[in-house]
Amino acid sequence: GENVEQHPSTLSVQEGDSAVIKCTYSDSASNYFPWYKQELGKGPQLIIDIRSNVGEKKDQRIAVTLNKTAKHFSLHITETQPEDSAVYFCAAMKSNFGNEKLTFGTGTRLTIIP
Amino acid sequence: NAGVTQTPKFQVLKTGQSMTLQCAQDMNHNSMYWYRQDPGMGLRLIYYSASEGTTDKGEVPNGYNVSRLNKREFSLRLESAAPSQTSVYFCASKEIAGRAFGETQYFGPGTRLLVL
Repeated sequence: GENVEQHPSTLSVQEGDSAVIKCTYSDSASNYFPWYKQELGKGPQLIIDIRSNVGEKKDQRIAVTLNKTAKHFSLHITETQPEDSAVYFCAAMKSNFGNEKLTFGTGTRLTIIP
Repeated sequence: NAGVTQTPKFQVLKTGQSMTLQCAQDMNHNSMYWYRQDPGMGLRLIYYSASEGTTDKGEVPNGYNVSRLNKREFSLRLESAAPSQTSVYFCASKEIAGRAFGETQYFGPGTRLLVL
């Protein structure tokens, strides 16, 4: 089955600097890669996603890049703010009618230092 | 829209006790999922239901059963709780299975379960 590795497990960044979280996946058939943000005591919330036919996607201060050849994808947060502090999860999935399952990375705890 | 709701928010059980975690969604989604979240292990899929009337095992199904009661509700049952089932449980739903769109899973707020 799919295996997703996520690095780093913890990341501290000065407010205003950029943060980068990286994930690798094992199944070359995976074609959907979402990123979730989880704040303390809450459920994960989708912040951005990318499909395998796209190399990069941006939404304001957040961007995701995908390298299908190397089987890795990354989350980039620019101009970080205190409210960006949270745990971030990457995930991978392949479309399989009726049997799609997300495989999650182990999470990155991002701390923004004021 | 309340989205995905879960009850209870927190529960303490003794080893061997049983309980059912409830999940409901009001987004008319077809697919629903149960995950558990443990420190350092991300979210692991327990069971899922691609559509009303179907359920399938995920990565860690042992010790659990599920019921897709109707399109809105998907419950998770622990028949005989064990300390290893101490975790945070999340329910999620997704609009459509097997399409290029609709992969987004929406998560509930979670149920924190402690088994003594």
